[in-house]
Parts: sequence; structure tokens; C-alpha cells
Amino acid sequence: DAKTTQPNSMESNEEEPVHLPCNHSTISGTDYIHWYRQLPSQGPEYVIHGLTSNVNNRMASLAIAEDRKSSTLILHRATLRDAAVYYCILKIYNQGGKLIFGQGTELSVKP
Amino acid sequence: DTAVSQTPKYLVTQMGNDKSIKCEQNLGHDTMYWYKQDSKKFLKIMFSYNNKELIINETVPNRFSPKSPDKAHLNLHINSLELGDSAVYFCASSRRGASTDTQYFGPGTRLTVL
Repeated sequence: DAKTTQPNSMESNEEEPVHLPCNHSTISGTDYIHWYRQLPSQGPEYVIHGLTSNVNNRMASLAIAEDRKSSTLILHRATLRDAAVYYCILKIYNQGGKLIFGQGTELSVKP
Repeated sequence: DTAVSQTPKYLVTQMGNDKSIKCEQNLGHDTMYWYKQDSKKFLKIMFSYNNKELIINETVPNRFSPKSPDKAHLNLHINSLELGDSAVYFCASSRRGASTDTQYFGPGTRLTVL
């Protein structure tokens, strides 16, 4: 079972920032927080991951709460191409790297 | 060059048939996976192989048999296809299967069982 909780859907306007929340209250010290997204009719693609500290890459930023029980994926300027289902996933240590997907958040972006 | 490729992209077949889906990765990764995405869009891990060795088998029916001839390939063979096998199947790979590794997914194979 997925160990994360996300809103089913969110809406954003183009070129505005988007904050996608995720709760993972049962996270353990060695679990990494990964975000993937799935564009329509495509396979999932990696977005970002982190353990404790906030992370930035060219696609997004990941803000991790101090107690690690929640995190937020930040898209700084949403584009129409960012419309996708975003999955927040806990990657559990020593479990062969498998990803356990929840229902994700379906992000729609309005022009 | 496509990092993770799958063939075929679409597969339509009758109940009871046997079919295979092929997956290849050119990333030099050691670990490969199969995931199933059902009609409700839930993605679920099925199998994982590391260097041709099975490391994850998520209580998938015996009719599903993965085969890894080498670490760049992980094929999925399905016997006696059932209606409930209709889904999109995704292959993925990662460097080692560690918690920090990124997984790269293929484009998916849409299987329809009639």
C-alpha cells in the first residue's frame, strides 16, 4: 500500500507557481521521498527526490518539512506541458528500489 | 536514442492466448522492472530483476513469467490471457535499485484481451 497521501486534483494558471503537497506521516529515517509525474499516454518520469534537506533541480524544487512527515513539490512557473499526474513516493531502504505508487495528484494548467 | 524501449506498443489478443512483451534498456543499468497500470490508472510493481536475477515478485499469478536473457533486456511472457490482464504494462530500469536511484520508464504496452 502507498504510504503517502495527496490531493486527488489541483488546478493552476499558466506561468504561476504550483505547490503540490504530500503527507507521509509514517516515514522512517531511511526512506527517501521521490516525485514522479506521468504525462498523458506516457510512462512515468522522474522529477526530484530528497531525504532531509530541500532540493532543487531544473524541473522543480522539493521542500521537506523538518519532521519529514510532509513535503511539497514546487513548480516555479507552470506551463501547459506540466499538466500531468504527480506521484509522491516513499522509497524504502533495501526493498530493491521498487516504487509504490498512490493515486497521485492530477494537475491541470489553465492558459 | 530511446533509453527504455518496449515492443509492441499495442497488443490486442483473444482470451486464452499466450503473448510476450519485450523491453530493452541502453542505459547500462543493472536493475529492471515491470509495472502494471490498470483501467483505474493505478500503477503497481510486478517484478524486478537485478543482473538477470529475480529480486521482486509481487504475488503476480504464475501465468506471468519474466525472463531476463541479459541485463539489458527484461521480457514479460503471459500465458492463458484473461480479460483482467487488459492494462498498460510499463518497463523501467535503474542503475542498481538503491533508494536514491532514478527509474527510467518505457512508453508502455497497451494490452487488450478480448
